[in-house]
Amino acid sequence: QLLESGGGLVQPGGSLRLSCAASGFTFSAFTMTWVRQAPGRGLEWVSAISDGGTRTSYAESVKGRFSISSDNSRNTLYLQLNSLRVEDTAVYYCAKDNLESDALDLWGQGTLVTVSS
Amino acid sequence: SYVLTQPPSVSEAPGQTARITCGGNNIGTKSVHWYQQKPGQAPLLVVYDDSDRPSGIPERFSGSNSEKTATLTINRVEAGDEADYYCQVWDTSSDHPVFGGGTKLTVL
Repeated sequence: QLLESGGGLVQPGGSLRLSCAASGFTFSAFTMTWVRQAPGRGLEWVSAISDGGTRTSYAESVKGRFSISSDNSRNTLYLQLNSLRVEDTAVYYCAKDNLESDALDLWGQGTLVTVSS
Repeated sequence: SYVLTQPPSVSEAPGQTARITCGGNNIGTKSVHWYQQKPGQAPLLVVYDDSDRPSGIPERFSGSNSEKTATLTINRVEAGDEADYYCQVWDTSSDHPVFGGGTKLTVL
């Protein structure tokens, strides 16, 4: 199970930290991913972190503003959102990568981030 | 980056077969995954690696992938299958997943 939290209303230029608590699987063994969905739009990959946290990657649209991390002792994934823009408004989902494939086989329920003045 | 093209909508009557396509350059060389998203819910993986089904997904859901088009087939469509469906592949040039724009399946 994956459970996101930390979303909310923030002004442009502001910051938020999203969390994703994992349970029911060996969190440290899997690459973890953040995907977002703007209102009425499709899915957009945002960021990923490898098992062990040694490798991170970001979409061009968030590079330099967002930072992904994980705490294996707490089985928790994080996404730090800085310099937020109106176009970052979306539901943010965390997802677990399939060990033998690049599919996302477990998703959280999502947390809504609204960037507005 | 790699682009996946899906039809915006597909409609089918209950009991019939719905087919949702996903096009991309040489998509036949990639592993394609499909997600179902019902209103207000998170996406759910229904087919991975072109044609494999995760545990708990009905056999009515199947997938195929040829040179130019991947297809999600839903046999004996039910009202509960009404949802948005997204295809996804790994883009080797940008080294991250890419999603199609999504297809809204309407069960008439």
